[in-house]
Amino acid sequence: DGGITQSPKYLFRKEGQNVTLSCEQNLNHDAMYWYRQDPGQGLRLIYYSQIVNDFQKGDIAEGYSVSREKKESFPLTVTSAQKNPTAFYLCASTRTGAGTDTQYFGPGTRLTVL
Amino acid sequence: GQQVMQIPQYQHVQEGEDFTTYCNSSTTLSNIQWYKQRPGGHPVFLIQLVKSGEVKKQKRLTFQFGEAKKNSSLHITATQTTDVGTYFCAGAGNNRKLIWGLGTSLAVNP
Repeated sequence: DGGITQSPKYLFRKEGQNVTLSCEQNLNHDAMYWYRQDPGQGLRLIYYSQIVNDFQKGDIAEGYSVSREKKESFPLTVTSAQKNPTAFYLCASTRTGAGTDTQYFGPGTRLTVL
Repeated sequence: GQQVMQIPQYQHVQEGEDFTTYCNSSTTLSNIQWYKQRPGGHPVFLIQLVKSGEVKKQKRLTFQFGEAKKNSSLHITATQTTDVGTYFCAGAGNNRKLIWGLGTSLAVNP
């Protein structure tokens, strides 16, 4: 069953701690994306990667870091430098990095920083 | 930079009424995509429009892409409670990046 998995679904952390969100896909897609969604807001792009070992900053990359060591995996670390990390985080992938590609989303991780 | 504006932000309808959401871009788009996000869920792809003036239908949903490829609309005929959610448009500009609208949240009273 192909798709994108994100874990965990809910995550609680104390302020000042780094936390890593997992994203795995078995769709053999080249490109992967991380978005942040706040209540009543749209999707804001954090980072994206079009190929293994390469990634680019999106619109709100400050306080976040990523890696793309394998095609299937694109973990996102929310660092203590991110001033307001509580949000719903969505991972997505596309077959290529073209803007015409359909984006396939994972179920998301809801992060709450206490 | 490129922007995609989506209106209205919220819409509350009685079941059976029609619903329309509009997307307007500041620049010409190469394509526009529509997604639906159910409450508590993740965005799911609905459709992509590529050609100027294109109209596509999916059962009670009608999607249009403007002649100038700068605007698009999604119309739902006779809404049902299963239509509840947030509808997003996303357009790709010349730089091939996808620009997302802020979404229209639809609530349907049974």
